[in-house]
Amino acid sequence: NAGVMQNPRHLVRRRGQEARLRCSPMKGHSHVYWYRQLPEEGLKFMVYLQKENIIDESGMPKERFSAEFPKEGPSILRIQQVVRGDSAAYFCASSQGQVNGYTFGSGTRLTVV
Amino acid sequence: DAKTTQPNSMESNEEEPVHLPCNHSTISGTDYIHWYRQLPSQGPEYVIHGLTSNVNNRMASLAIAEDRKSSTLILHRATLRDAAVYYCILRDVGTGNQFYFGTGTSLTVIP
Repeated sequence: NAGVMQNPRHLVRRRGQEARLRCSPMKGHSHVYWYRQLPEEGLKFMVYLQKENIIDESGMPKERFSAEFPKEGPSILRIQQVVRGDSAAYFCASSQGQVNGYTFGSGTRLTVV
Repeated sequence: DAKTTQPNSMESNEEEPVHLPCNHSTISGTDYIHWYRQLPSQGPEYVIHGLTSNVNNRMASLAIAEDRKSSTLILHRATLRDAAVYYCILRDVGTGNQFYFGTGTSLTVIP
């Protein structure tokens, strides 16, 4: 079992470009969660998705950020028109059900230059 | 969500036991106590969880106070690989709400 796979591990984008972060959950997990960790800060919940549905996006910034978890393929966190403040580590986690524990990926470290 | 309070940082000597405290005075009857840890440059990993009784696994032990208003994560013999930020999180088993991470306790292990 490969665990939660996130790619890329490191992503560099210029201001104004788009960033796409991918997350493949563990086999058998249909619940995906995205977290953001700014430098020297804790993890902040962003969004919770099940297949084809957004369940809770209360932690997502209102503009430029979107997430999807299609029927086939990985979950995608998309950041449009990136700014320097978007530089952070983005972690994805998956679970088997809503009450199960999470398994986290190793994260994608986004740097906006 | 019920809040947890943890010390910002702790130190331990290698090969000695470590007791990481967590206060959760507003815990509800259906809140499980979860512990995760985050090693440098990695995603968080599950350590242990419990409801009322003390729990043991290969990584650690969880001691829960009788009134459930506090708990302690016990690492029986700290190694350098245990240096991490440890998060104590409450989660309502009924609603299955998301894990909300606080600032945790940064554990330094001294060789």
